[in-house]
Amino acid sequence: QQQVKQSPQSLIVQKGGISIINCAYENTAFDYFPWYQQFPGKGPALLIAIRPDVSEKKEGRFTISFNKSAKQFSLHIMDSQPGDSATYFCAASINGQNFVFGPGTRLSVLP
Amino acid sequence: EAGVAQSPRYKIIEKRQSVAFWCNPISGHATLYWYQQILGQGPKLLIQFQNNGVVDDSQLPKDRFSAERLKGVDSTLKIQPAKLEDSAVYLCASSFAGRRSYGYTFGSGTRLTVV
Repeated sequence: QQQVKQSPQSLIVQKGGISIINCAYENTAFDYFPWYQQFPGKGPALLIAIRPDVSEKKEGRFTISFNKSAKQFSLHIMDSQPGDSATYFCAASINGQNFVFGPGTRLSVLP
Repeated sequence: EAGVAQSPRYKIIEKRQSVAFWCNPISGHATLYWYQQILGQGPKLLIQFQNNGVVDDSQLPKDRFSAERLKGVDSTLKIQPAKLEDSAVYLCASSFAGRRSYGYTFGSGTRLTVV
C-alpha cells in the first residue's frame, strides 16, 4: 500500500525529444506527488509537484500529468537537453509527511 | 539561503565498527529527516524529527541505528555496529513545519562504505 512504482528504470532520449516517466501508487490517502531530480554526488532536488485536485501542472519544460482514477502520474520533459541527464524520482506523501519514493529513472539525453 | 549541511561526505569503515553522521538543517526548518539511499534505489525514510522530538522512527533498525536532534537544530545519526548491508548514502533533509510547506531540501549526503 505504501509502495510507489516507477518506470522505466532507464531512458535514453535524443536532444530535443520528449522524456516521459511514469509512476503508480496504491494508497488513495496520498495527497501530494512531487518529482525529484538527482545528479551524481548530490541530494535529490524538488523539481515540480502536484496535488490530486488538478490533472496537470506545467513549469517551463516540465509537466506533471495526474490521473486520480487510475492512481497514476507522469513527468514529461519537453525539448530534453543534455543537462537534464540525471536520475528522477517520483514520490508520494500524506499531509507532506513521510514521503515514499519510487525506485528512480536514470535519464540520459544524447547531444 | 544556506542549504542542508552534512558531514562527512565519505566514510569507509569495517563491519562491526561504529560511525556517526552529522546534519545541520536550513535555519528555521523545524522538521528534519534522515533517509537511507542504497545504490540504484530511491531514498527510504529512517527517522523524522519535529523540533527535537521524534515523529516517526518506524523504519529505523533500532538495534543498531540511533539518532538524536539536540536543541531542535543539528542532528546526528549513529550506526553501531555496522553491517555490510548498511553501505549506502545517508541523506538528511529539512522542511518548514506546517501543511502548506511540503518541499524538502536535501543535503548532499554521506556515502558510507562498509567493508
